[in-house]
Amino acid sequence: TQLLEQSPQFLSIQEGENLTVYCNSSSVFSSLQWYRQEPGEGPVLLVTVVTGGEVKKLKRLTFQFGDARKDSSLHITAAQTGDTGLYLCAGRMDSSYKLIFGSGTRLLVRP
Amino acid sequence: DTGVSQNPRHKITKRGQNVTFRCDPISEHNRLYWYRQTLGQGPEFLTYFQNEAQLEKSRLLSDRFSAERPKGSFSTLEIQRTEQGDSAMYLCASSFQVQGYEQYFGPGTRLTVT
Repeated sequence: TQLLEQSPQFLSIQEGENLTVYCNSSSVFSSLQWYRQEPGEGPVLLVTVVTGGEVKKLKRLTFQFGDARKDSSLHITAAQTGDTGLYLCAGRMDSSYKLIFGSGTRLLVRP
Repeated sequence: DTGVSQNPRHKITKRGQNVTFRCDPISEHNRLYWYRQTLGQGPEFLTYFQNEAQLEKSRLLSDRFSAERPKGSFSTLEIQRTEQGDSAMYLCASSFQVQGYEQYFGPGTRLTVT
């Protein structure tokens, strides 16, 4: 059973479209991180959210942490081909420093 | 700051052989983590160190796996008597205690067991 569920698993969109990726859990996390991963490379950290209800923006990317700290979303505005990749959410619980990852959302932005 | 480095990037080995991977964390980062990622999945936690102390191990880390961080700097992950199921990407990450939450990953070592 996956502790963090990501949806959708795959997403193929046209350049310029908007999209939202979801990360859901029944567990409470003390912090949640979003990463992007290219094939054959390690995940690259995009953002960390810590406070329930927190919203962070990184250029065209908007990240939100749910009020109850059980879920998060990533919204991309006007997607570009360079946004193509695997998007991973990862949560940390109070009891440990390890990250628990979702299975990822594979995004393809077509020109 | 050169980031987290891992060596080798790729390793092909025959079943039953032993392999060792190395991770060099970002300098001044006192926490170091090992994860394993199989195709189509997110990374899974294996173990982590704070300085030279190994503080947490996953049940995924069978007796054939051992990790060390002898001087609190670089770390090694050894797999003995490799099995085909060990084929995966092995990722190392590091973080700085004061900053707390953020883990920075290396490029990974891709292991293929034939």
